[in-house]
Amino acid sequence: GAVVSQHPSWVICKSGTSVKIECRSLDFQATTMFWYRQFPKQSLMLMATSNEGSKATYEQGVEKDKFLINHASLTLSTLTVTSAHPEDSSFYICSAIGGMNEQFFGPGTRLTVL
Amino acid sequence: DQQVKQNSPSLSVQEGRISILNCDYTNSMFDYFLWYKKYPAEGPTFLISISSIKDKNEDGRFTVFLNKSAKHLSLHIVPSQPGDSAVYFCAASNTGNQFYFGTGTSLTVIP
Repeated sequence: GAVVSQHPSWVICKSGTSVKIECRSLDFQATTMFWYRQFPKQSLMLMATSNEGSKATYEQGVEKDKFLINHASLTLSTLTVTSAHPEDSSFYICSAIGGMNEQFFGPGTRLTVL
Repeated sequence: DQQVKQNSPSLSVQEGRISILNCDYTNSMFDYFLWYKKYPAEGPTFLISISSIKDKNEDGRFTVFLNKSAKHLSLHIVPSQPGDSAVYFCAASNTGNQFYFGTGTSLTVIP
């Protein structure tokens, strides 16, 4: 079955640094990927839609300059949290749309900003 | 390989009847399970969860059952309403470190 991976699975960084999270579709090409943020026992909050070869579409309230998204290839989208602060600590989950319009989720990346 | 599977991509149910959505997992270390509901163009909405120390959790019309020996969980919606029509994702976690999602089941509740 189709698998989406995320790297790293857990990252701890100092306040003010930038962190890059990768989302890869391992055995299929995905022109569209999504980035979500999850807080404990809450809904996944859609942050942005990542489109291969074009700019990402950000949801209202999400700072595009803080959360940089690059979808450079059909199998890779990256989310860079710039100048991270403790309030950015969260679980970041990506998903990719497969050929049959199924949505495959990655396992998530836990970001802890000290 | 997918560690969480939802083998039924779609399900149709008459309004008022029970909807049963199924989910199977392979990793016996999973200890926390969630169900999400997703409408088109929106992020998944958290619905209900269950930890591995329980075998049932109920919240209004929604009940989640967990069968650890079979590595199977199910979501029961009763009575089903047209507004329940959405895609339902199950997810499993190992102490909250990573989440593994199924591929979703599209539920259609027919008025």
